[in-house]
Amino acid sequence: QKEVEQNSGPLSVPEGAIASLNCTYSDRGSQSFFWYRQYSGKSPELIMSIYSNGDKEDGRFTAQLNKASQYVSLLIRDSQPSDSATYLCAVKGGYNKLIFGAGTRLAVHP
Amino acid sequence: EAEVAQSPRYKITEKSQAVAFWCDPISGHATLYWYRQILGQGPELLVQFQDESVVDDSQLPKDRFSAERLKGVDSTLKIQPAELGDSAMYLCASSLSQDYGYTFGSGTRLTVV
Repeated sequence: QKEVEQNSGPLSVPEGAIASLNCTYSDRGSQSFFWYRQYSGKSPELIMSIYSNGDKEDGRFTAQLNKASQYVSLLIRDSQPSDSATYLCAVKGGYNKLIFGAGTRLAVHP
Repeated sequence: EAEVAQSPRYKITEKSQAVAFWCDPISGHATLYWYRQILGQGPELLVQFQDESVVDDSQLPKDRFSAERLKGVDSTLKIQPAELGDSAMYLCASSLSQDYGYTFGSGTRLTVV
């Protein structure tokens, strides 16, 4: 079992819709969770962090965390073509290192 | 906005040659990470420094890879000899503390031919 699992996609949504990206992790002791966006050929860019159960909102982005279910999600409201990218879920493990999932490719079509 | 500097952006090298990458973290960030990202996969940690000390290099192929951060500021990652399977994006990141996510540099795209 991989430490951080994501559906590889692609997830295709129409412009203006809500995109829902999901991630599960194996280490029950994990406390810090992050979502990165990565455009093709570019480096990952941090968009959200979440540490407590529940929802955290930042503009069009909402991160959701359920530690009991070992589940993290990212919702993107009013999706735009510019949101088309790969979204990486990352979980902080031992020695403060980030463990990444393989990413979910999101395609927002006009 | 402060950035993590990496060079070169792109590198093409022949198999069995040596190659080196450089990284300068954000000023004040004591923790520096080198990640490797193979196309279609998530980044995988190669080595982590706290100041000048290696904290974790368990995934670093030590027969061919080496990393140093002599003065606890900038860092160099070296591969010798390069193999075809080393073709990937090499990402450097730094972090202020364990409560924050990382800031990544622009990466070095390595192609081994």
